Amino acid sequence: DVKVTQSSRYLVKRTGEKVFLECVQDMDHENMFWYRQDPGLGLRLIYFSYDVKMKEKGDIPEGYSVSREKKERFSLILESASTNQTSMYLCASSLRQELYNEQFFGPGTRLTVL
Amino acid sequence: DAKTTQPTSMDCAEGRAANLPCNHSTISGNEYVYWYRQIHSQGPQYIIHGLKNNETNEMASLIITEDRKSSTLILPHATLRDTAVYYCIVRPRTNFGNEKLTFGTGTRLTIIP
Repeated sequence: DVKVTQSSRYLVKRTGEKVFLECVQDMDHENMFWYRQDPGLGLRLIYFSYDVKMKEKGDIPEGYSVSREKKERFSLILESASTNQTSMYLCASSLRQELYNEQFFGPGTRLTVL
Repeated sequence: DAKTTQPTSMDCAEGRAANLPCNHSTISGNEYVYWYRQIHSQGPQYIIHGLKNNETNEMASLIITEDRKSSTLILPHATLRDTAVYYCIVRPRTNFGNEKLTFGTGTRLTIIP
């Protein structure tokens, strides 16, 4: 069974802390994505990566950075957490292929910044 | 990417067919229609996609109108486990560096026992 796992389901951090969210996929997918989900706003893309050490900004990259040192792992970093980054964070992966795009999602990390 | 319009919420009786509409009147010729769903406390799950022909898989059927300006996702025999938010997404054929999906706010489908 295909799998995308995220390091934590729930996380509580304080304002100003550095936060790492980890995502691992076991499907040998080239593409990996980080989204955040907020009530009334749907899912919004933060960053994505189409290969090791490659990254592209999504729609809301401000306040975030990412790291992809290995194909199976994609990390989202909040350099200095703020309360407006309290959200559900979802990681996804997909094959790089022609025609269509099926993304596989992890269970999500609910981050609360106090 | 073309914008989509979906009803905010719908109810369906258990065992009946659930028909979820999506309007995408600005869709262009190379854009696909995708459906995903998100069950409470889980990540989204791919359901089905199509270009212009109707499609069916083990989860659902997708009916796309001839002018491609709207589509309907059909869950043929809805169960309580189908209660979820359903997202209709329109996007072009995948190419390098352009794989992102843009999720709207979707339709909250509630299956009634």
